[in-house]
Amino acid sequence: QLVQSGAEVKQPGASVKISCKASGYAFTTLHMHWLRQAPGQGLEWMGWINPSFGGTNYAQKFQGRVTMTRDTSITTAFMELHSLTSDDTAIYYCAPGVGPFDTWGQGTLVSVSS
Amino acid sequence: DIQMTQSPSTLSASVGDRVTINCRASQSIDDWLAWYQQKPGKAPRLLIYRTSTLQTGVPSRFSGSGSGTEFSLTIGSLQPDDFATYYCQQYKSTQFTFGPGTKVDVK
Repeated sequence: QLVQSGAEVKQPGASVKISCKASGYAFTTLHMHWLRQAPGQGLEWMGWINPSFGGTNYAQKFQGRVTMTRDTSITTAFMELHSLTSDDTAIYYCAPGVGPFDTWGQGTLVSVSS
Repeated sequence: DIQMTQSPSTLSASVGDRVTINCRASQSIDDWLAWYQQKPGKAPRLLIYRTSTLQTGVPSRFSGSGSGTEFSLTIGSLQPDDFATYYCQQYKSTQFTFGPGTKVDVK
């Protein structure tokens, strides 16, 4: 099971940090991926973090603007997106796995507006 | 990045129809392809992985085929619950990418 943090409203230029609490499986055995979906748009993969070692792999589009971290003591992954613009308004999902995603968080709505 | 395209973007069909959605990769992804179904306000649901392997619990009317750069998802006999948007996703590359989606709506 994956439980994400609640909806956020941010101003342009701000940062947002979303959490994803995992349970029911061995947290460190599966990469945690982050994806997003803008209103009325398709799915976009943002990157993953290896919860065991903390290594990351970010989509080129988000390089330099995203930071993925984790706290193994509380089996929680975090995704922080910086320098927000209105284009970052979206539902953000976490999903563990190696590629196909069979389990998803409930999603976190991030709204960016002045 | 590997670019994924889907056709058609919208497909109008009736209950009982056989429906096929196509997905094309900009370079070979072997068989590292997944299909998802998404309904409004819900997270995507994994239907098929490795091109043709049905996820547990997915009805057998769903099937997938293809290899390399050309893939398809077929719904053998469309049911009322199948009206939704469908996405393909490649996971061959270390940079995963999705197709833009195909909306299946009521004819």
